[in-house]
Amino acid sequence: DIQMTQSPSSLSASVGDRVTITCRASQGINNYLAWYQQKPGNVPTLLIYAASRLQSGVPSRFSGSGSGTEFTLTISSLQPEDIATYYCQKYNSAPITFGQGTRLEIK
Amino acid sequence: QVQLVESGGGVVQPGRSLRLSCAASGFDFSSHVMHWVRQAPGKGLEWVAVISTDGKYEYYADSVKGRFNISRDNSKNTLSLQVKTLRTEDSAVYYCAKGRFNWNFFENWGQGTLLTVSS
Repeated sequence: DIQMTQSPSSLSASVGDRVTITCRASQGINNYLAWYQQKPGNVPTLLIYAASRLQSGVPSRFSGSGSGTEFTLTISSLQPEDIATYYCQKYNSAPITFGQGTRLEIK
Repeated sequence: QVQLVESGGGVVQPGRSLRLSCAASGFDFSSHVMHWVRQAPGKGLEWVAVISTDGKYEYYADSVKGRFNISRDNSKNTLSLQVKTLRTEDSAVYYCAKGRFNWNFFENWGQGTLLTVSS
């Protein structure tokens, strides 16, 4: 099975910083990669699908890139409401797998 | 708007069975693959199972294969998960999640139902 590895596991940054989270697949998955945000106590929400396509309603400061085995989620200017855990997910075939999550905190 | 409402969770003893349900509304249920995803307390997300739009195809995580069964009733807009031979490690919030047509990413999630397996 394909494993998804996120880095870092946790991250502390200041408001206005550019933040990047990486997700690596153990085998190539083309662009079948999604990113989710889960705020504390809340349900996950879809941010990005097909590696780089922004879900409707998601702020444009979020962007995704990559293909094959390496992917990134970037927040161009961190806002206080971005405090959350972020997960990548591969969906090219079953079994579907998530990364272990990246917890983002404000410095 | 899309609504997914799970029910059926609770406290169950190890080895017992339970049926979780998800009532869907606000979209054409029969046109979207549907999933169950779970999250143990304080842990990450774990995909559990998927069912095709017509219910003919099902796939499961290895951790639940042979014990869980996903099903859907397109006439009633409901998704179900029959969980059997429960283990303590099955304790989690179980989310019903909607795929985008046949794409297996989750564009909508329910609020979840908590299943606790404990003696």
